[in-house]
Amino acid sequence: DGGITQSPKYLFRKEGQNVTLSCEQNLNHDAMYWYRQDPGQGLRLIYYSQIVNDFQKGDIAEGYSVSREKKESFPLTVTSAQKNPTAFYLCASNKETTSNQPQHFGDGTRLSIL
Amino acid sequence: AQSVSQHNHHVILSEAASLELGCNYSYGGTVNLFWYVQYPGQHLQLLLKYFSGDPLVKGIKGFEAEFIKSKFSFNLRKPSVQWSDTAEYFCAVNAGYGNNRLAFGKGNQVVVIP
Repeated sequence: DGGITQSPKYLFRKEGQNVTLSCEQNLNHDAMYWYRQDPGQGLRLIYYSQIVNDFQKGDIAEGYSVSREKKESFPLTVTSAQKNPTAFYLCASNKETTSNQPQHFGDGTRLSIL
Repeated sequence: AQSVSQHNHHVILSEAASLELGCNYSYGGTVNLFWYVQYPGQHLQLLLKYFSGDPLVKGIKGFEAEFIKSKFSFNLRKPSVQWSDTAEYFCAVNAGYGNNRLAFGKGNQVVVIP
């Protein structure tokens, strides 16, 4: 079945460490997105990529970095510069042919600081 | 940046009651509108969407939403809820970005009591 796979499901990090969250899709989608979900805050866009080797900052990019070397992969690194990294992280993708394509979501990664 | 407002973050109601969740957005031009649902322990999935045409759109599981351009609103309704409708509901708007980027509201946590 086609879909979006996020791994790991749970991730623990010590303060000062960088961690990388994986997102892979086999939907042949052009665009991919990373969101952060906090209780009562909805989804806030961290980074997005419309095409391979290109990405743009979202609303809360500080302390995060991404890469898009392959169409199917869009890993997110949470750096030590992110002061409050504990959150639920969601990856999404869609076709970038028009502006009315719904986004498809993965199951998420829950990151906690030890 | 676009803003999306969802009020009454926590909604508690009994089975068979009617549900209406409000969504207002700030952009004055052409918009694409979405409602997503996140059931406990599951990933976000599309409930319904509006791009053009009939402003009353029907989605899955008996949900519908009405786009009222003059009020910048896209309210979600269901005439008679079931316990299985317990979930978090998010309104999302694509407007003015020139791509598929979405702005999400903060969500409505709906609990249906059997």
